Amino acid sequence: AQTVTQSQPEMSVQEAETVTLSCTYDTSENNYYLFWYKQPPSRQMILVIRQEAYKQQNATENRFSVNFQKAAKSFSLKISDSQLGDTAMYFCAFPRANDYKLSFGAGTTVTVRA
Amino acid sequence: GAVVSQHPSWVICKSGTSVKIECRSLDFQATTMFWYRQFPKQSLMLMATSNEGSKATYEQGVEKDKFLINHASLTLSTLTVTSAHPEDSSFYICSASGVGDTQYFGPGTRLTVL
Repeated sequence: AQTVTQSQPEMSVQEAETVTLSCTYDTSENNYYLFWYKQPPSRQMILVIRQEAYKQQNATENRFSVNFQKAAKSFSLKISDSQLGDTAMYFCAFPRANDYKLSFGAGTTVTVRA
Repeated sequence: GAVVSQHPSWVICKSGTSVKIECRSLDFQATTMFWYRQFPKQSLMLMATSNEGSKATYEQGVEKDKFLINHASLTLSTLTVTSAHPEDSSFYICSASGVGDTQYFGPGTRLTVL
């Protein structure tokens, strides 16, 4: 069975500081995608960043970047220069091998303090 | 691009009635759409996968006769909660599959059954 684990239920960060969210997963596949989604209080799920496993270069989207360690099956998200609008629940997601449907982690609630 | 709409955004109904929720991909065609259920402060739970022109596939434990799914076109999928009861009250989210297994999410529908 494939699992996605987010071990940090909640994190708090001062505005303009950096916070890193952890995610580990388990798979026997070699080529796959990994995703981070953000769900703010509005509850709209928003794609933050996507990583293709065959690419060695870590994906970056403005203030969001990932540290993808394929051998360790680790996919952490770094939020730099945190803004109040980054306050949200963040989900790591990974496609299941048998049918490519997304498995989501339990989520990490990030609160950015002014 | 990759916008998904969902209607209604919230609905209140009486126990025993049926409720239909629509999910539309506005600027792309989606052969596959997904329906999720989410309880407060929890992760997304996949209910079923909706395929255009064919029957939906349901996750284990999801009653297909209670949660009817129709994928009538490449841009529209509907979820009908039949004979709704208070335990069906929840937040329902749809998504549409785009490039590279990326899922784009609708804004969600809050269902309250009295």
